[in-house]
Amino acid sequence: GAVVSQHPSWVICKSGTSVKIECRSLDFQATTMFWYRQFPKQSLMLMATSNEGSKATYEQGVEKDKFLINHASLTLSTLTVTSAHPEDSSFYICSAARRGPGSALFFGSGTQLSVL
Amino acid sequence: KQEVTQIPAALSVPEGENLVLNCSFTDSAIYNLQWFRQDPGKGLTSLLLIQSSQREQTSGRLNASLDKSSGRSTLYIAASQPGDSATYLCASNNAGNMLTFGGGTRLMVKP
Repeated sequence: GAVVSQHPSWVICKSGTSVKIECRSLDFQATTMFWYRQFPKQSLMLMATSNEGSKATYEQGVEKDKFLINHASLTLSTLTVTSAHPEDSSFYICSAARRGPGSALFFGSGTQLSVL
Repeated sequence: KQEVTQIPAALSVPEGENLVLNCSFTDSAIYNLQWFRQDPGKGLTSLLLIQSSQREQTSGRLNASLDKSSGRSTLYIAASQPGDSATYLCASNNAGNMLTFGGGTRLMVKP
């Protein structure tokens, strides 16, 4: 099956620093990738849709200047949490679709971010 | 806006039981519905995907059904095992691969 690699798996950082999370589709091209966030004991919430070669589309309530998304190639999307604060501590997961609308989505293994 | 609800939120059963997890959604205009498994602190593992034109999908001890008209999907787990303990999430795909997740069912199978 398709594989999506997400790195790092976990990161601990000081408040005010920026953290970059990478999401790669290893064996297929993904024109669209998605970033989700999950707080403890809650379900995943879509943060933004990452489109290769264009600006990301953010969900309501998600600050685009804080969560910078770059989708520079068909196999790589990055999420940068800028000036991270403790309330940004969460589990971040990316996903990618192999083909057009309605296809199965494949997920990365997630990144646990802890901001001290 | 699509809303996805999962019942029950938590479930504890003895090993060997057959069980059903429920998922309901408000907007029946879906491309597909997907069931996932999530272990604590881990990413998602896709279990079954049901296209909008399908009624059910089976994989091993798992069977997922879809009734678009009533806005429901169920995940049936046969002969549950302790290794099945995890959180199970359903998600609807309504447009452009953006998924709407339910709140999940935390399953505990006791030996």
